[in-house]
Amino acid sequence: QSVLTQPPSVSGAPGQRVTISCTGSSSNIGADYDVHWYQQLPGTAPKLLIYGFTNRPSGVPDRFSGSKSATSASLAITGLQAEDEADYYCQSYDSSLSTYVFGSGTKVTVL
Amino acid sequence: QVQLVESGGDVVQPGRSLRLSCAASGFTFSNYVMHWVRQAPGKGLEWVAVMPYDGSNKYYADSVKGRFAVSRDNSKNTLFLQMNSLRTEDTAVYYCARERIDYEFWTGFKYWGQGTLVTVSS
Repeated sequence: QSVLTQPPSVSGAPGQRVTISCTGSSSNIGADYDVHWYQQLPGTAPKLLIYGFTNRPSGVPDRFSGSKSATSASLAITGLQAEDEADYYCQSYDSSLSTYVFGSGTKVTVL
Repeated sequence: QVQLVESGGDVVQPGRSLRLSCAASGFTFSNYVMHWVRQAPGKGLEWVAVMPYDGSNKYYADSVKGRFAVSRDNSKNTLFLQMNSLRTEDTAVYYCARERIDYEFWTGFKYWGQGTLVTVSS
């Protein structure tokens, strides 16, 4: 199991706001290692959505935002759209394992 | 534009070896840290290995340590993953990915290839 825990699924109606949590520990998020978020549409490679907890690469809509608190990070999607239906993964570095780690992944369903 | 194209995926028997390649174009390959990430069928992402831009200090996930080896040929803009002693649990799509910022680790995987499927089965 992953050292970064995400809820298996979240859902919302079009236009609503959903959040995805990424819970870590003192050896990863709590140690101030950056968290990045990826979106993976069905059958495609992941896409960098947020880097360094809160930053959006160019081209990513501002409906996507990231935040951090203590040993966790969160991804928020506001104004949910059908095209946002995908799997979302958080990523960090773990000093105990000395490896990069991905979260367990969260499937977002647009109702 | 940046392109990463993986190749080499195949169906192999447990215990055999396979070498994956990732051909890079559209950027100065020798300046970037590169990674391999895999995804088993229906499962999540798993980081596999990191290859520094200068070939030093490679790191591996515990699940592949001692069996897999990452390398690069900067003259050919190509990243490799040598996979030995393959196990059924190594079955996955293997992606190569590039760091967002040159010469840096841990900036986010900005570019990904399309992936190549490795199936380990008897």
